[in-house]
Amino acid sequence: DAGVTQSPTHLIKTRGQHVTLRCSPISGHKSVSWYQQVLGQGPQFIFQYYEKEERGRGNFPDRFSARQFPNYSSELNVNALLLGDSALYLCASSLVGSGSLSYNSPLHFGNGTRLTVT
Amino acid sequence: KNEVEQSPQNLTAQEGEFITINCSYSVGISALHWLQQHPGGGIVSLFMLSSGKKKHGRLIATINIQEKHSSLHITASHPRDSAVYICAVSRYGGSQGNLIFGKGTKLSVKP
Repeated sequence: DAGVTQSPTHLIKTRGQHVTLRCSPISGHKSVSWYQQVLGQGPQFIFQYYEKEERGRGNFPDRFSARQFPNYSSELNVNALLLGDSALYLCASSLVGSGSLSYNSPLHFGNGTRLTVT
Repeated sequence: KNEVEQSPQNLTAQEGEFITINCSYSVGISALHWLQQHPGGGIVSLFMLSSGKKKHGRLIATINIQEKHSSLHITASHPRDSAVYICAVSRYGGSQGNLIFGKGTKLSVKP
């Protein structure tokens, strides 16, 4: 089975532009989470979607938005890009989103999209 | 003070050595995750635990809920274990993906 796939792998954008990052979860997984990892730091949580609904949101500005499609794939959108948005964007999927069942539902991460804003 | 603290930040070991990486957290949690990140950026989930101890091959993870502390041990370390090891916690009552991450421990194992 294919793992979590993210596209594109690398991306270069200019300040003020918009970007869309994509994530396909493992088949059967209904939850997708997004993270931002700035160079030299640990990742930071951006969003979680489960069954096409937002289930969690981190401390990011409204320029960041996401959605989940009926096939459980997901997009992360960032508007009005800033230099500080340069980072590795990671996606992770799991079977469930929260609650007691999540204790046996580990996260599976993709290889990330490296975004450079110039 | 960060809600998840790891130590050490950097660790160099000789092949074959026993390695311990520590993680302390200050929030109530539903689960603690140990993750491995290689230079390319991809992350592999090593363990997810909420109590006790788990073992997979040469890796052992323990957690003490009362002390809010977890350790990751690597026995008979090998150069291929060189990576960044990240501790992350799922906050109690929060969604599973809403993780708080430590800054990571960069491990280098020399042959």
